[in-house]
Order: sequence, then structure tokens, then C-alpha cells
Amino acid sequence: DGGITQSPKYLFRKEGQNVTLSCEQNLNHDAMYWYRQDPGQGLRLIYYSQIVNDFQKGDIAEGYSVSREKKESFPLTVTSAQKNPTAFYLCASSIVGQGAKIAAHYGYTFGSGTRLTVV
Amino acid sequence: GNSVTQMEGPVTLSEEAFLTINCTYTATGYPSLFWYVQYPGEGLQLLLKATKADDKGSNKGFEATYRKETTSFHLEKGSVQVSDSAVYFCALLPSGNTPLVFGKGTRLSVIA
Repeated sequence: DGGITQSPKYLFRKEGQNVTLSCEQNLNHDAMYWYRQDPGQGLRLIYYSQIVNDFQKGDIAEGYSVSREKKESFPLTVTSAQKNPTAFYLCASSIVGQGAKIAAHYGYTFGSGTRLTVV
Repeated sequence: GNSVTQMEGPVTLSEEAFLTINCTYTATGYPSLFWYVQYPGEGLQLLLKATKADDKGSNKGFEATYRKETTSFHLEKGSVQVSDSAVYFCALLPSGNTPLVFGKGTRLSVIA
């Protein structure tokens, strides 16, 4: 079955350490997204990519970095510059092309998330 | 800019009660609208969608109608079950090629 796999499910980071969250999809989707979820804040967009080797900042990109070297992979690095990284991180993917209506028809597919905790 | 406002929770209902979760939006152009559901410890699942004004999305007994005149997309269900307990997110997809914008989510608890 096609889907999105996020790993690990739980991750612990020490102060000053960089950590990388994995996101892999086998849906052949063009676009991939990273959202951060905090209690009472909803989902906030960190980065997104609509094509290989290209990505754009979202609303809260500071302290994060991404790469898109392969269509199926979109890893997120939480750097030491991110002062409050404890959160639930969600990766998603969607079809792109012929405008937003294609993405609207199929919606976004989400992974099961990674819970990051600073220790 | 684009934004979504949904009613704050938590919402607690008895089994078989009627559910309404309000959602209003601000957007330029003609966005598509969605409801997603998140069960504990999981990612989000698409519940229903509507891509143009007056469309009604429906799934698993849930319904929502895209009302352009009131910029709303309220979620309703006639008779909730304990298994409906989850967090519900209203979201809009702008008419350009920009990502989904989410509301803050509403936690629903259904008690037997």
C-alpha cells in the first residue's frame, strides 16, 4: 500500500544538538510539506517543496532546514538555533499540477508524526 | 491573507447527541475547504472536502456545506459515537498553488 512513513516515532534531543526527522513517501506525489503541531496552536507550516531540488519557507522556518534530493524523500533537520523544538512534527504530501484543484481533489496525505522532546 | 477560525474546544457530548463545529475562513479568490480528523497519537486523515461554493462534503455521517456568502464550512453530525472522539481541523487550500492553511483544531470527546 502507498503512504507516507515518518521516523522515528519518538525522538529526544539534547540542548545544542541537531536532529533529523525522516519522511518518505511512495505515492509518487510531487509536493511534500512539514508542519509543526503544538497544543492549542493547530498546524503551522515549516517548509514545503513542490519539485525536487527546490523548497520554500513556510511561516515558521527559522531554526529548521530541509533538502529534497529525491522525489520520495523530504528530511527535516531541527538545528540548535530552534530554541523551542519540543512539538509533534507532521509530514504530508500531495499531487501538484494543473493548479490547486488537483491537490484539492485528492487532498493531502499525512504521515503518523514524530514527537520531538528536548531533554 | 488566508486564515481559518474554528470554535475552541474542548467539546464534550453524550453519545447520539448532535454535533456542530463552527469554521469560518478568510481568503482571496476561490479556495477549497477541508475537514481533517486526528485520532490520539496519529497523523491527520481527510474527513471531507468541498471545492466550490454550495458544495456539500460528506463522509461517515459527517457533513459540511461550503457557504461563500457567510465564508463558513461548519461540520455537523446528527448522532455522534464514542469512536468520533478526536481532534477536528478545518483547513483551506488557496486558489493559487500555496499550501493548506489550518485552523487551531477542536477537540471532541464523546461519552457513553
